[in-house]
Amino acid sequence: DQQVKQNSPSLSVQEGRISILNCDYTNSMFDYFLWYKKYPAEGPTFLISISSIKDKNEDGRFTVFLNKSAKHLSLHIVPSQPGDSAVYFCAASGQGGKLIFGQGTELSVKP
Amino acid sequence: DAGVTQSPTHLIKTRGQQVTLRCSPISGHKSVSWYQQVLGQGPQFIFQYYEKEERGRGNFPDRFSARQFPNYSSELNVNALLLGDSALYLCASSLLTVNTGELFFGEGSRLTVL
Repeated sequence: DQQVKQNSPSLSVQEGRISILNCDYTNSMFDYFLWYKKYPAEGPTFLISISSIKDKNEDGRFTVFLNKSAKHLSLHIVPSQPGDSAVYFCAASGQGGKLIFGQGTELSVKP
Repeated sequence: DAGVTQSPTHLIKTRGQQVTLRCSPISGHKSVSWYQQVLGQGPQFIFQYYEKEERGRGNFPDRFSARQFPNYSSELNVNALLLGDSALYLCASSLLTVNTGELFFGEGSRLTVL
């Protein structure tokens, strides 16, 4: 029962262009949605979050959009930089204080 | 400032053995969570502890147990290891029990079961 899904295992983008990472969820009771970035041999690092009562949150080059009717969220990175190359996980805040993660999307930003 | 520290970073065990993984949270953080990440998947929630009490448990067998100490550090124990327990075990700390915001993850303990 995969409550949070990232259907694209990988994404390749040219430096300076927009990167769009997508995530779908099934449980309408989630309160918060978060994006984490993970480099090899490091733990995930928090990137940005959004409350379920909002539809957009922006932090510098990173914007997260939430479409509750479609149960879909996306992360936009503009402009993309080679240092953004990493695995990106979306996560939803569930009951009991736990995060439910998607499978991850590996982003490659080419110079 | 020290982040979340985990030990050991790598270890190899054989089936049937037992393993203990350790985690020290960021200073001032009272909540510690454990996650298991198998290759190609996202982290899966195992446990959350807050103020030394278990506040959440994921869908893992009773072979998995954990505890939190008065200094807020934590241990994850796995008994009767199976090949499928091979994974990266991540510890995360936070200020609050409810994950409305960020978790701070350690670099993980990579367990290989042969």
